[in-house]
Amino acid sequence: QKEVEQNSGPLSVPEGAIASLNCTYSDRVSQSFFWYRQYSGKSPELIMSIYSNGDKEDGRFTAQLNKASQYVSLLIRDSQPSDSATYLCAAFRLYSGGGADGLTFGKGTHLIIQP
Amino acid sequence: DTAVSQTPKYLVTQMGNDKSIKCEQNLGHDTMYWYKQDSKKFLKIMFSYNNKELIINETVPNRFSPKSPDKAHLNLHINSLELGDSAVYFCASSSTSGSDTQYFGPGTRLTVL
Repeated sequence: QKEVEQNSGPLSVPEGAIASLNCTYSDRVSQSFFWYRQYSGKSPELIMSIYSNGDKEDGRFTAQLNKASQYVSLLIRDSQPSDSATYLCAAFRLYSGGGADGLTFGKGTHLIIQP
Repeated sequence: DTAVSQTPKYLVTQMGNDKSIKCEQNLGHDTMYWYKQDSKKFLKIMFSYNNKELIINETVPNRFSPKSPDKAHLNLHINSLELGDSAVYFCASSSTSGSDTQYFGPGTRLTVL
């Protein structure tokens, strides 16, 4: 069964600190991974995508992937109050028959940045 | 220049009614999806369409039927609505067969009374 696990939080981080969000997945065939941010009442918006083991940096955000441990993380440096939101981890797997699957989402981590 | 749009934004209806939600994308993507987000905010895939062909069909009730008149549109029709169908429904699209980024519409909040 495909599962993506996240700690639901809330995770409270002081403004200016590093926020660390973690995610594990159970399907070893998963190929690509995404972090989406969702504000209350809004749709998910992509923050980062990562496909290979290692780190990927984009501005204040760094995604880390370890396929051997089936672990994905997102670091947010210099956290701002506007970063307060729910962060959704998602895994994607492409079926070998050429079909496609949708994203499997975790239940999200609620992040609160304290001014 | 909205990328993925949905109508209506809010939908309030009685149990047993039939309703449709429309989705359109102007990104030139060839795969579109419907997701359901329940009251606990859990987002789950329902359907996807690639080049007008249903690729996956998760274990959703057959009261739900996706319809794609062309590559840019994927509508969701729901028959005999039940209380448990109340949720936010998101349409999304992506290029290739989904390995690329999925872009989400604004969502349709369905309330069944």
